[in-house]
Amino acid sequence: QVQLQESGPGLVKPSETLSLTCTMSGGSVSSGSYYWSWIRQPPGKGLEWIGYIYYSGSTNYNPSLKSRVTISVDTSKNQFSLKLSSVTAADTAVYHCARERKVTMIRGVSNWFDPWGQGTLVTVSS
Amino acid sequence: QSLLTQPPSASGTPGQRVTISCSGSGSNIGSNTVSWYQQLPGTAPKLLIYSNNQRPSGVPDRFSGSKSGTSASLAISGLQSEDEADYYCAAWDDSLNGPVFGGGTKLTVL
Repeated sequence: QVQLQESGPGLVKPSETLSLTCTMSGGSVSSGSYYWSWIRQPPGKGLEWIGYIYYSGSTNYNPSLKSRVTISVDTSKNQFSLKLSSVTAADTAVYHCARERKVTMIRGVSNWFDPWGQGTLVTVSS
Repeated sequence: QSLLTQPPSASGTPGQRVTISCSGSGSNIGSNTVSWYQQLPGTAPKLLIYSNNQRPSGVPDRFSGSKSGTSASLAISGLQSEDEADYYCAAWDDSLNGPVFGGGTKLTVL
């Protein structure tokens, strides 16, 4: 059974870089069938997709965050990571990692997230 | 402002059938499939429905999904107290070139 677990600092100062790691167990990030995603949820609010990485290293980011986001993968450690630079209070959120399955068909894209990590709260404050 | 619109709240009594709507546009729901997630208080979202109407193994058949045009719906029949949670829809958006989520619907079991 695939499980994902986020880790990283729970408090980051404004203007600094948020860094989180997602460790996978029960499977391999080298699987070519999936993408490895980060999704965040500000307190009391909805979900926002941050971006994903494929095992080959190719990435896709939310345009609203693209200038500040870097997602990387370490297949030797079965991990993928998120870096978000120049953070502000608006970046305070629970950050989830998730496995994304994306199938591109003639009639469109079918994608879904399963499983999700439990999430880690990152607070941006001085 | 979410690209997918959900009602902020819904409610029902035990045993009842409730539906939650998700409205989008031609660049997301109109062109691609919809997935649904259940988030119990203090937990991570859990996949309920994928590809509009497919249930992962382990999800009760009380949960069903449908899509028509640029809208989708999640139906929960035989409502139970443990169904009280937040529900989110999601779909790939061709303009964003990425997935978008609805704002979420808080389901209360009265």
